[in-house]
Parts: sequence; structure tokens; C-alpha cells
Amino acid sequence: SQQGEEDPQALSIQEGENATMNCSYKTSINNLQWYRQNSGRGLVHLILIRSNEREKHSGRLRVTLDTSKKSSSLLITASRAADTASYFCAPSQTGANNLFFGTGTRLTVIP
Amino acid sequence: ETGVTQSPTHLIKTRGQQVTLRCSSQSGHNTVSWYQQALGQGPQFIFQYYREEENGRGNFPPRFSGLQFPNYSSELNVNALELDDSALYLCASSLRLAGSKNIQYFGAGTRLSVL
Repeated sequence: SQQGEEDPQALSIQEGENATMNCSYKTSINNLQWYRQNSGRGLVHLILIRSNEREKHSGRLRVTLDTSKKSSSLLITASRAADTASYFCAPSQTGANNLFFGTGTRLTVIP
Repeated sequence: ETGVTQSPTHLIKTRGQQVTLRCSSQSGHNTVSWYQQALGQGPQFIFQYYREEENGRGNFPPRFSGLQFPNYSSELNVNALELDDSALYLCASSLRLAGSKNIQYFGAGTRLSVL
């Protein structure tokens, strides 16, 4: 399967706490991307980490990648109510031109 | 805003009918992908168009077809609608170049209900 699988399926935290979600995949990759989807809307690209990178930061987002374990994690620090959304990881193979998504992690941030 | 626009935003059809959904790509993008997202599920890849030709297809029957126009806009056509076709249909555009990162830019989607 070319898709990533996110874990947990659902996560509920208090505003200000950190949120961590994980992704596992099965194929070799060129990069791995994380997307956010607000309810009933389109997906928004958050961050991309290349296969030769181990960690990447963007604002309150921190992504790690372990290619030996075929896994990635997304950490959102100091969460806000506006972070409430579904989060999807998308492993991208070399030469691939489309993405395959799992069922996502549904994050709820309680004000 | 990604610059990808989809129309219509909502649509109601009855079983057996045909539907056409439309997508305008982000300026400068040459590739369009279509996804189907059922309630509570992740987006499922339907197919992709590059240079007006189908360039990859997911596990969807032939009654799902598409077009890409010279201006890179695209249509998704679904014939003989079934109840299970009820879903959010997402269009995503991207720039296909050697060494590109394959980042997809999504529209807001078309919500299709089949009764």
C-alpha cells in the first residue's frame, strides 16, 4: 500500500497543550508530507520532509522522520482551538505525481 | 487560499443520473488530480491528468471519467450514479517537473449527494 496510516484516529487535548500524531508507511519514499483538513473543506499542505532529513520545523509544527522504521510524527506545540481539524500524512514515492491518504487523525482542541 | 476553485459547491442528484464537476487549477500548474472522500474517510485517488491525458488511475470503475483542457482546468464526469457515490469530491493541482516535490494544492471540494 502506498498510503500512510495515521495514529491515533482521534485525539482530544486542552488548549495550550502539545499534540503528537504519528504516521507509518510501507514503501520507500522521496518525501513525506502532512496536510490539514478543516471539516468538510479541502486539504491544506502543512509541511514536507525529505527522505534524507530527520527533523524539520515550521512555526509551531515539528516533523520527524525515521526511514528505517518507516514512520513520521507531527508535533503541534501550544495548541489552539483553531488547530481543530483532521491531519493526514502522505508518503510520496520518487517519481510519483499523486498522493495516497489514510484515514487521518481527528484532533480536537478544547478551549 | 490555494487558487484552486471547484464548482458547484453542492449538488444533489438521483441514482442513475450523470454529473459533471469542474475544477480550475492554480495558475502555473500543469497537473490535476481528483479525489473522492466519503464521510469519515481519507481522500481516495480517482485519477490524474497531465497535458490533457490521463496519467494514473486509482481503483475506480470506468464510469468515472475526466478531461483536462489546454488551460489546465479539468472536469470529472460520473455516469450512472450510485448511492455510494455520495461524497466530497476534491480537485488538487500541482506542478509536474523533474525533481518536483509533488505538493498538491486542493480546492474546497464539491459535496455530491445521490438520492
